[in-house]
Amino acid sequence: DVKVTQSSRYLVKRTGEKVFLECVQDMDHENMFWYRQDPGLGLRLIYFSYDVKMKEKGDIPEGYSVSREKKERFSLILESASTNQTSMYLCASSPQTGLLNTEAFFGQGTRLTVV
Amino acid sequence: AQKITQTQPGMFVQEKEAVTLDCTYDTSDQSYGLFWYKQPSSGEMIFLIYQGSYDEQNATEGRYSLNFQKARKSANLVISASQLGDSAMYFCAMRRGRNAGNMLTFGGGTRLMVKP
Repeated sequence: DVKVTQSSRYLVKRTGEKVFLECVQDMDHENMFWYRQDPGLGLRLIYFSYDVKMKEKGDIPEGYSVSREKKERFSLILESASTNQTSMYLCASSPQTGLLNTEAFFGQGTRLTVV
Repeated sequence: AQKITQTQPGMFVQEKEAVTLDCTYDTSDQSYGLFWYKQPSSGEMIFLIYQGSYDEQNATEGRYSLNFQKARKSANLVISASQLGDSAMYFCAMRRGRNAGNMLTFGGGTRLMVKP
């Protein structure tokens, strides 16, 4: 079974802190994603990576950066956390098949609260 | 911009009855794929069903079927014989074709509650 593991289920951080959210997948997938989930807004893509050291901005990249130094690991970084970044963060991965029917596999999510 | 709309924020259904969750999408691409995911209260995202834009038949997976109306740009999920375990958030998503990479765009979700 594909496993996507997010390092924390719950995090509480203070405004202005630098926050790292870690995601690891064990299926050698090329693609990894970070989404943010808010009620009524669904999942919104923050960043996407299709290879080591490669990244593309999603729909809401402002206030975030990412790092992919190894294929299995994709980190989301909040340089200076703000209260409007309180949310559920979901990491996902998928193989690079070039096929439309390739599903994405998701981690359990990290619920981040910024106080 | 691609957009997915789920107009039902929340729905109730009686156990053992069928329910339809609506999804409309907006894209200028000819080639795209549509997905439905289930998210129980535990938080994980569970893949349910897929429909390709060129598929002529509606997709089915057990109790799940997809009512795909391409001209109307709708891809509604039908759950037959609802069970209590079907209570969850449901998300419709679209993957665009060719040069759009592998990104999935999601709708706002529908919370389904199954009544005993």
